[in-house]
Amino acid sequence: EVQLVESGGGLVKPGGSLRLSCAASGFTFSDYSMSWVRQAPGKGLEWVSFISGSGDYITYADSVKGRFTISRDNAQNSLYLQMNSLRAEDTAVYYCVRDRIRSGRYGEFLNWGQGTLVTVSS
Amino acid sequence: DIQMTQSPSSLSASVGDRVTITCRASQDVSNWLAWYQQKPGEAPKSLIYVASRLQSGVPSRFSGSGSGTHFTLTISSLQREDFATYYCQQYNTFPLTFGGGTKVEIK
Repeated sequence: EVQLVESGGGLVKPGGSLRLSCAASGFTFSDYSMSWVRQAPGKGLEWVSFISGSGDYITYADSVKGRFTISRDNAQNSLYLQMNSLRAEDTAVYYCVRDRIRSGRYGEFLNWGQGTLVTVSS
Repeated sequence: DIQMTQSPSSLSASVGDRVTITCRASQDVSNWLAWYQQKPGEAPKSLIYVASRLQSGVPSRFSGSGSGTHFTLTISSLQREDFATYYCQQYNTFPLTFGGGTKVEIK
C-alpha cells in the first residue's frame, strides 16, 4: 500500500524558514516523480513544486520560486521542501503527492499524503 | 499560465440526481485533465485522469469527458458519500493548475 506521510509543519514568523519532509513507502520511490501541492485555509488547491524521480528535472510555481527548494533522497525514500523567506500567504496545508505511474505524463497525480499545516504569523 | 475555470462554484442536489460539473481551460490542454474529490478535513482523492479514465476503485457512476478546452465531470446518480468539493487540474504544461473547485451540497 502506498503511504505518504508529511511532517515538519508548524508556526513560523514572517521571514522565517521551515523544512517539510514526506516519508514514502509501499513503492519504489526513485521510480516516481513527486510534487508538493498546498491549500490555504478555506481555499482551493495550488501546485507548488515538482521533482522527477531521478531529481534531474525540477520546477516551481512563480509564487514560491527563489524562496522554496524541493529535493529528494531516494536512498531514504524521502521528499523535502525547504521553505525560506516565508510570508503570511504561504499559510496552508502542504500535501506530498505522487504521480500515477512511473513513466507517465508529469503531474498526473494519484496518491496524496494527509498534509501538514504551515502557519506563517507573527 | 493556463487558467482553469470551473462552473458552477457550488450546487445543491438530492440523492439520485444527475450532476454535471464543467471545467474550461484558457488554452488547449489536449486530454491532460484530471478530476479530484475532496471531503472536509481530508486530502484530495484522485478520480479521473486523461479526461475520461477512472482511477481504480472509483465507482462507475463517475464519468469524465472532453478534450481541448472544455471538460465535464458527471455523477450519474448522486450518492450521499459524493457530497464533497471537486477540482479539475490540467497537466499539459507547467505550472500545473487547478480549477477553483465545485462544492456539491445536499439539497
